[in-house]
This record gives sequence, C-alpha cells and structure tokens, in this order.
Amino acid sequence: GAGVSQSPSNKVTEKGKDVELRCDPISGHTALYWYRQSLGQGLEFLIYFQGNSAPDKSGLPSDRFSAERTGGSVSTLTIQRTQQEDSAVYLCASSSGGSGTFGAGSRLTVL
Amino acid sequence: GENVEQHPSTLSVQEGDSAVIKCTYSDSASNYFPWYKQELGKGPQLIIDIRSNVGEKKDQRIAVTLNKTAKHFSLHITETQPEDSAVYFCAALTGGTSYGKLTFGQGTILTVHP
Repeated sequence: GAGVSQSPSNKVTEKGKDVELRCDPISGHTALYWYRQSLGQGLEFLIYFQGNSAPDKSGLPSDRFSAERTGGSVSTLTIQRTQQEDSAVYLCASSSGGSGTFGAGSRLTVL
Repeated sequence: GENVEQHPSTLSVQEGDSAVIKCTYSDSASNYFPWYKQELGKGPQLIIDIRSNVGEKKDQRIAVTLNKTAKHFSLHITETQPEDSAVYFCAALTGGTSYGKLTFGQGTILTVHP
C-alpha cells in the first residue's frame, strides 16, 4: 500500500488477556518503529528494527511486551497479561532513512 | 540517552498571527530534527525537517531554525490559519547515522482562533 497500515484500529480487551497489534510498513522501508502514546501525552519509544540488525528494545516497558518483524516487513507487537496502564494508542512508523511515516495507530483499551 | 524538551505545551493564537514552538535536545550526536503535526485520530505527519549541517529551512508558511551550539531548534508558523490547529511534535534522531531512534518532545497543542 501507499502508507503504513495498522490493525486493529481499535481493540478492547480484559485485564490479563494477551493482545497482538500488527503493522504493515511501506514497501521497501528497512526501518520500523513502535511508539506508545497515552492520552494527551507525547510519543514513548518502544522498539526499533533496522534491516537485519538486532532490534533496539530499550524502550519496552516490561517483559510483557515483545515485538517481532518477519521477513523484514510486517511487524507484530505483543502485549501479554495486559494491564490497565497499557491502555494507549500504539503507533508504528517505517522509514527508508531519517524521518518515519506513521500509521494511524491502534487504540488499545484494557478494562 | 537523548532527551528532548518542548515548549510551550499549549499555544493559542489569533488567525494571521505567528506561532513559535521551541525544543532543546541533550545529545550532541543527534543530527536530524523533524517536526510532526498530529490531528485528532491520526498518526503524526511530517511537516518539515532539518539536518545538523543547516541552520534554517523554510517551506511556505513554516520554517525551522537550528542552533547546534545551544542544542535547540524551533518551528515557526507564519500567517496561521484555523487548519493549523493540531498537536505539534519535535523530534531528534540519535545514533549518528540516518537511521536511528527518534526521540520526541512532549508536544504542543496549537489552537488558532478565527
């Protein structure tokens, strides 16, 4: 596609459940980022993939969070045993260098 | 790691006035500084960027200035219009290369009153 696609756009889940969020980057972009944006807040870095290099996981808030990128393209962010404080918009961006192009985000609500 | 501070957190101007948003960064190795505009329900959209070898860049009504010595950069919007109302984020790219981690400021809510 022409842009970064994220799914689902909205997800409501119960505390303790696992969720998976998907990001389809722009074709050919070798860099992929995940950010978290809580209500009215800035963008919190989570994880960064660049080509075949080991990902920079320094922003993942706990071991309940993980992400993978298969075949250098699609990425999945997994949150295990969700907590209410995980409620936020999860944004994905891809890049061919420099700035990223963002998707519209996945809004996660943990009840 | 890199730390980006952004001010003000909210900015209210009258249509036609100018708006200025300022950011400071901590890592002298940062070399790329994009600005994003985020409208409600959408992801951030790149509006202008500047690299560390340039002091100023302009694109129609928006401009960005960079002071590497002081480690600060600013977004200037002239002749503001109601459609400029949005949240604006500055960012700094760390890692010393074109690829790396973007660290964002906390955002500025800009409101342009007709």
